[in-house]
Amino acid sequence: DAGVTQSPTHLIKTRGQQVTLRCSPKSGHDTVSWYQQALGQGPQFIFQYYEEEERQRGNFPDRFSGHQFPNYSSELNVNALLLGDSALYLCASTVGVGDTQYFGPGTRLTVL
Amino acid sequence: QKEVEQDPGPLSVPEGAIVSLNCTYSNSAFQYFMWYRQYSRKGPELLMYTYSSGNKEDGRFTAQVDKSSKYISLFIRDSQPSDSATYLCAMSLFTGGGNKLTFGTGTQLKVEL
Repeated sequence: DAGVTQSPTHLIKTRGQQVTLRCSPKSGHDTVSWYQQALGQGPQFIFQYYEEEERQRGNFPDRFSGHQFPNYSSELNVNALLLGDSALYLCASTVGVGDTQYFGPGTRLTVL
Repeated sequence: QKEVEQDPGPLSVPEGAIVSLNCTYSNSAFQYFMWYRQYSRKGPELLMYTYSSGNKEDGRFTAQVDKSSKYISLFIRDSQPSDSATYLCAMSLFTGGGNKLTFGTGTQLKVEL
């Protein structure tokens, strides 16, 4: 049973650039959520996608955008990168919008 | 004030000790309560999940929820060096057709031989 997968594992970008992170949900799951985890902090909710629509959004600027594809996989896009965007980006999947969320290994983004 | 408060530790205990990890929260609308374990530079792994006040046991782990006090706990019995990790409490809230998790900052636990 394949768990949540994310790519790439690590990424280094410079300020002002744009980045795209990818997530494939756990087999049988149809909902994907994205979280940002800064060093020494708990994950912070960015947004959640279900049926290819953004269902809920956390307190993140419009530079953060996403997409969900018909196969339930998802992308997180961040434009105009800032140094403060350096973090571990986590994808979590679940069934519908009412069940527990299972996390992937994350993508570590470093902005120089 | 943060919605979820968790002592960051670090907490160091000898092998075999009983570990108690705690979180408090302010939002009475939270519906589900979870504990995740996160090893260094890895994604969080779901340990326990509950939605009602009371205790839930799974092997060496017991999750306790007290909704009247807005307080949740995780107990680890017979702790092992492999339990050394960061433990995150999380709470879910259903709003606007979505379900978001709000996490504590995590407690770093080290179990020593």
